[in-house]
Amino acid sequence: EVQLVQSGAEVKKPGESLKISCKVSGYYFSNYWIAWVRQMPGRGLEWMGINYPSNSETRYSPSFQGHVTFSVDKSISTAYLQWNSLKASDTATYYCARQYVSESYPDYWGQGTLVTVSS
Amino acid sequence: DIVLTQSPGTLSLSPGERATLSCRASQSVSSSYLAWYQQTSGQAPRLLIYGASRRATGIPDRFSGSGSGTDFTLTINRLEPEDFAVYYCLLYGYSPTFGQGTKLEIK
Repeated sequence: EVQLVQSGAEVKKPGESLKISCKVSGYYFSNYWIAWVRQMPGRGLEWMGINYPSNSETRYSPSFQGHVTFSVDKSISTAYLQWNSLKASDTATYYCARQYVSESYPDYWGQGTLVTVSS
Repeated sequence: DIVLTQSPGTLSLSPGERATLSCRASQSVSSSYLAWYQQTSGQAPRLLIYGASRRATGIPDRFSGSGSGTDFTLTINRLEPEDFAVYYCLLYGYSPTFGQGTKLEIK
């Protein structure tokens, strides 16, 4: 069974750093891209970008380029989304999802990680 | 950049009725790159349709997708209580973008 299990909710202050995780199982991690999607409170879905575990190739949406970093640890089949300096506007639920090729659609999704940034 | 506009913003129907949801692109796109997702409250999105008209694994046949060019439609026949949710279209490919969503609510 394909599963993407994300780390738990986080509460942080502006300016702090954060790394959330997405651990996959049920398929070969390196063969599929990982997409990241943001959903701000009460809002729609926003595409952040994708990451390919096999060679760490990364593509960021222009709206997120320079503010977040995608990474992976193939040894534990886990993908990460990281911020070096959070802003209040980063408050959102973040989803990871699997997709077969870089220009495909996400099929399986994680349950989401709620990140709250507040002073 | 291509913009996807979904309509209506909210659709109020009763169980058993048919729902027709629209997704319009700002310029012609390949139907091979259009997907639909369902999101119920507090849950992750669920893939319903890809390639504009292909049902994902396990999706009931009351869900169907159609369209080409700039106009795409998700049709849900014989609405069940669990179908009341928010629906998003996604143009995937090199620069993916979501529509803003249509909320399907019980009338």
